[in-house]
Amino acid sequence: QIALKESGPRLVRPTQTLTLTCSFSGFRLNTRGVGVGWIRQAPDQTLEWLALIYWNNAKLFNPSLETRLAISMSGNSVVLTMTKLDPIDTATYFCAHANVRTPVITFNYFDPWGQGAPVTVS
Amino acid sequence: QSDLTQPASVSGSPGQSITLSCTKVKNDIGNYQFVSWYQRRPGQAPKLIIYEDNLRPSGVSHRYSASVSDRTSSLTISGLQGDDEGDYFCSTFGGLTGVVFGAGTRVTV
Repeated sequence: QIALKESGPRLVRPTQTLTLTCSFSGFRLNTRGVGVGWIRQAPDQTLEWLALIYWNNAKLFNPSLETRLAISMSGNSVVLTMTKLDPIDTATYFCAHANVRTPVITFNYFDPWGQGAPVTVS
Repeated sequence: QSDLTQPASVSGSPGQSITLSCTKVKNDIGNYQFVSWYQRRPGQAPKLIIYEDNLRPSGVSHRYSASVSDRTSSLTISGLQGDDEGDYFCSTFGGLTGVVFGAGTRVTV
């Protein structure tokens, strides 16, 4: 059974860097067709996709946030780094297992999701 | 502004059926990309309820169904129940824009 859990600081000061870790079990990130994504949801806002990393270490970023984001994988964890935090980045941050279509590598859907990590920038 | 347009809210009575729409604002260019739907109940993580336009993951109620016509995807919830309340988001892959979510529809029973 696949499970994911986010961890990281709950409070970050403006201009600082946020580092979040997604620890997962039930799958291997070196398996073809698998990825891990990060998504956030600010209070009363929609879901906003942040980044994706595929089994082959290919990485995709939300174009509007790309200059501030980094994503990496190591064993059973994926780390998301976001620089230059602002109060507008206050949100719950989720990581999720990504199903990826092949042979033309294309993201398909997220399932399942972690419970989320609330982050306040203040 | 999202590339996927969803109504802000839809309500219904227990036992009724409701339909949520998700319209791609931009014209499709290139390969077609599937639509998926997620449910987020208050205080819970989002849950996949429809993938690849109209497929239901194992364990998801048969009361959820979806279809696609032209640029609009429609999610139907039949036999509405109290635990159907929550926010519903459609999503697709926008190529260069990456993963796109609609603004979400709040369902009230």
